[in-house]
Amino acid sequence: DTAVSQTPKYLVTQMGNDKSIKCEQNLGHDTMYWYKQDSKKFLKIMFSYNNKELIINETVPNRFSPKSPDKAHLNLHINSLELGDSAVYFCASSTTVNTEAFFGQGTRLTVV
Amino acid sequence: AQSVTQLGSHVSVSEGALVLLRCNYSSSVPPYLFWYVQYPNQGLQLLLKYTTGATLVKGINGFEAEFKKSETSFHLTKPSAHMSDAAEYFCAVSGAGSYQLTFGKGTKLSVIP
Repeated sequence: DTAVSQTPKYLVTQMGNDKSIKCEQNLGHDTMYWYKQDSKKFLKIMFSYNNKELIINETVPNRFSPKSPDKAHLNLHINSLELGDSAVYFCASSTTVNTEAFFGQGTRLTVV
Repeated sequence: AQSVTQLGSHVSVSEGALVLLRCNYSSSVPPYLFWYVQYPNQGLQLLLKYTTGATLVKGINGFEAEFKKSETSFHLTKPSAHMSDAAEYFCAVSGAGSYQLTFGKGTKLSVIP
């Protein structure tokens, strides 16, 4: 049973395209996150949702838009993809906002 | 605001030797501290955590860490390194009123046979 699952695992796309990454958790957690891991392995929070409400929206271009249709799902839509968007994107969830997070396997996005 | 500093972006140890990965944090509230491990092309897995109580915390795979408030440290140790320990290790901090985990930049552990 996969606790936090993301699809797709790999995504290769051209500049200017729009793409989405889906995330689902079956842990019954109230809080979900999107993190970006750059080529130097640095992890940075992008968004956090608690009970479907956006609670963290870090300095991220408007081209990135999260959507949480319910507590178990948090999707990430990216418009007009740029080369600099290439990274690994991790979805995570936790019981509350400041406890340990459980991570998905990541989506490796490559923009060409 | 919270921050984490991991000393040493790359640590190499011989198989069977002591593993010591250093983590110092900054927090204006009592911290919750975590160590995660990331194997190649995988997500992050929780090794151990400290929230309250006993300052020496034991985790999976024989790892442990000690919370030292006076030194604002949470160093990760393992008495004897195994080849399978080779991975990237991340220290993270949160706390009351925090809405996220703040990660350090990671330490890559290599184990030499």
